[in-house]
Amino acid sequence: DTAVSQTPKYLVTQMGNDKSIKCEQNLGHDTMYWYKQDSKKFLKIMFSYNNKELIINETVPNRFSPKSPDKAHLNLHINSLELGDSAVYFCASSQERATDTQYFGPGTRLTVL
Amino acid sequence: AQSVTQLDSQVPVFEEAPVELRCNYSSSVSVYLFWYVQYPNQGLQLLLKYLSGSTLVKGINGFEAEFNKSQTSFHLRKPSVHISDTAEYFCAVSNTGGFKTIFGAGTRLFVKA
Repeated sequence: DTAVSQTPKYLVTQMGNDKSIKCEQNLGHDTMYWYKQDSKKFLKIMFSYNNKELIINETVPNRFSPKSPDKAHLNLHINSLELGDSAVYFCASSQERATDTQYFGPGTRLTVL
Repeated sequence: AQSVTQLDSQVPVFEEAPVELRCNYSSSVSVYLFWYVQYPNQGLQLLLKYLSGSTLVKGINGFEAEFNKSQTSFHLRKPSVHISDTAEYFCAVSNTGGFKTIFGAGTRLFVKA
């Protein structure tokens, strides 16, 4: 069983479209994260959720809206996609704090044309 | 504010040779330190972490790291590398009780036959 899964794995879309990425963890963790990895492999946190509540929002444009319907899911919706949104997006989870081991999903490669 | 600097963007090394990947951090508070590895087209996975106690930390796949508070460093070492160790390695820092992890820019380890 995959611990942290993301769908889709690849997403190719046009500028201005709206898209969603889904994430699910079956580890029973309380905290989930979204990270963005750019073409130079730089990994930056976007959001942290603990028990379905937003804890960290790293000055992400409000075109990005995370939603956590329950502790096992953290979805990412992106409105009005821009070229600069092209990246690999990783979902992760940890037992509670960021000091706990984080388990990463396989990533979603988003390409905006 | 916390930050992480990985001093080498790429490290080429021959198989069975030793390797050291360098990481320096800055923080005004106590920190927890991590090394994660990312194999091609995969998510990150934890190699090892330092929370407290012994400054020499052993991880998976024969890797170890030493926490040096006076030099604010957390270098990763392996005495003998394999081709399969070729990957991107990320040093990361998180503060006590936080929900945020800061990652370094990554070091690409390339093991040659």
